[in-house]
Amino acid sequence: DGGITQSPKYLFRKEGQNVTLSCEQNLNHDAMYWYRQDPGQGLRLIYYSQIVNDFQKGDIAEGYSVSREKKESFPLTVTSAQKNPTAFYLCASSVGVWETQYFGPGTRLLVL
Amino acid sequence: ILNVEQSPQSLHVQEGDSTNFTCSFPSSNFYALHWYRWETAKSPEALFVMTLNGDEKKKGRISATLNTKEGYSYLYIKGSQPEDSATYLCAQNSGNTPLVFGKGTRLSVIA
Repeated sequence: DGGITQSPKYLFRKEGQNVTLSCEQNLNHDAMYWYRQDPGQGLRLIYYSQIVNDFQKGDIAEGYSVSREKKESFPLTVTSAQKNPTAFYLCASSVGVWETQYFGPGTRLLVL
Repeated sequence: ILNVEQSPQSLHVQEGDSTNFTCSFPSSNFYALHWYRWETAKSPEALFVMTLNGDEKKKGRISATLNTKEGYSYLYIKGSQPEDSATYLCAQNSGNTPLVFGKGTRLSVIA
């Protein structure tokens, strides 16, 4: 079945540790996105990519990094510079950046 | 940065009641307005995409309207059912830019 997968479902980070969240899609979409959701907040854009080997910062990119080496994959690294990483992270993809987005199931990141 | 506002933040309705909520957005440089439904423990799912002023879309008991000149969209649910309980998100973009999401309206339908 076509869709977007994210792993893991839950992730625990120790202080000072970098962690990487996985996002894979088999929808043949060019654009991919990472969002963060905190309680009482909407979806805030971290990074997005319109095409392979290209990505742009969203509204809250500080403390995060991404890569887009393959069309299907858009991993997000939460670095130690992100001082408040506890949140729910959603990945999405779309045909083009202006088109309807399709979302993965999300990863909840917790700090130990 | 676009500012997309949704109201109310949350509401509770009785089963069978009809309800509606609002999405407000800047009317300048408008390209498209999207509505998503986000049920608990699931991923957000697209409901409607609207681009033209005066657009109306309908899916079952849910419908939406769009006014691009004054910068608002309404989502209506007729005869609410418990399975309609979810957070409803609207999002807007301007041309070749990513969607900007509102904070959502959380609907609870009480049986």
